[in-house]
Amino acid sequence: AQRVTQPEKLLSVFKGAPVELKCNYSYSGSPELFWYVQYSRQRLQLLLRHISRESIKGFTADLNKGETSFHLKKPFAQEEDSAMYYCALRGGAQKLVFGQGTRLTINP
Amino acid sequence: EPEVTQTPSHQVTQMGQEVILRCVPISNHLYFYWYRQILGQKVEFLVSFYNNEISEKSEIFDDQFSVERPDGSNFTLKIRSTKLEDSAMYFCASSEPGQGTGELFFGEGSRLTVL
Repeated sequence: AQRVTQPEKLLSVFKGAPVELKCNYSYSGSPELFWYVQYSRQRLQLLLRHISRESIKGFTADLNKGETSFHLKKPFAQEEDSAMYYCALRGGAQKLVFGQGTRLTINP
Repeated sequence: EPEVTQTPSHQVTQMGQEVILRCVPISNHLYFYWYRQILGQKVEFLVSFYNNEISEKSEIFDDQFSVERPDGSNFTLKIRSTKLEDSAMYFCASSEPGQGTGELFFGEGSRLTVL
């Protein structure tokens, strides 16, 4: 079975503070992991994927197979980072399985 | 930049009525998906579609649901006899052929309210 767990439904940090959104997964094979973001009144869009190992808008995420985690991090939060963040997993098929989502609020 | 488009943006219907939600995927994409999100809950996979047939479906996607690609551009989700619990945001998505980048491109969603 494929499962994605985001333990925090809500996360609030101050502008300039570090951010870490947690994601753990369950999958017996080699997964592809993604972070999607949904800004207010906008569609779900890809933020980053583990295979590209890139930094997008200052965010990074490292796949830790030992801990089955794919936490999203940013060293200095900005107000425009306020959004809903979803961790997603692709197993053997094409579909994505999403976590519950974390609503990130950046306080000024 | 090409986008997935969905219509209607909001539909209100009576319980027991049939509903059709429409999607126009990105033109060179070959994989199509429907997801739904009940208010306050996670985005849940319903069905994936490739080469004019369902490639995978979830337990949610029972006999009340069907999908169709009636022409070269539209991808529809039909709910035959709506129930109160079908009230949700329904998202259509598409992705590139083959392995591609693996990215799913989502529409803005259709909000279905069943009364």
